[in-house]
Amino acid sequence: AQSVTQPDIHITVSEGASLELRCNYSYGATPYLFWYVQSPGQGLQLLLKYFSGDTLVQGIKGFEAEFKRSQSSFNLRKPSVHWSDAAEYFCAVGGGNTGTASKLTFGTGTRLQVTL
Amino acid sequence: DGGITQSPKYLFRKEGQNVTLSCEQNLNHDAMYWYRQDPGQGLRLIYYSQIVNDFQKGDIAEGYSVSREKKESFPLTVTSAQKNPTAFYLCASSITRTVGGYTFGSGTRLTVV
Repeated sequence: AQSVTQPDIHITVSEGASLELRCNYSYGATPYLFWYVQSPGQGLQLLLKYFSGDTLVQGIKGFEAEFKRSQSSFNLRKPSVHWSDAAEYFCAVGGGNTGTASKLTFGTGTRLQVTL
Repeated sequence: DGGITQSPKYLFRKEGQNVTLSCEQNLNHDAMYWYRQDPGQGLRLIYYSQIVNDFQKGDIAEGYSVSREKKESFPLTVTSAQKNPTAFYLCASSITRTVGGYTFGSGTRLTVV
């Protein structure tokens, strides 16, 4: 069964500091990996996704993530955090079978707090 | 603009009553999903549908029911059999022919009073 672990429940960083959010996954085949962001009381917005190819993927809002197959990880990074980045971040893994619903399994989320 | 609309944003229900949450999309997506979100537990899949008139149970389907009579609509009914229905409910949709990720609605917060 597929699963996602986000080991950090809550992270606090200063504005302008760098950020790395950890994500480890378990999946029996080539995974499709995603990072989503959620503001309080809102739905989730897709930040970036990895299907194949270059293991460093760029997303919106200056975020990037690196797929490391040997470590089963897909960590999210940002060089300089802005106060508006404060939100909850979810990592997700899904299957690659086309023609079927791409059920995603989500991690439990990491809440990011940004101090000024 | 295309998107997913969930209504209402806030919903209050008395114990023992059924309630239906609406989810409509105009993205022409084939698949639709319902997730439940509780603090510290992430998103858990309730039901999903790949095509009209067909749907499958997710991980926590007990106490819930759905229908998919139209491609655009995937309503969720929270029945009185659901023991702990207070939660934030999220609807999503996706294309089934490629794994492109989900588009989410803005959610419905259900509170049992």
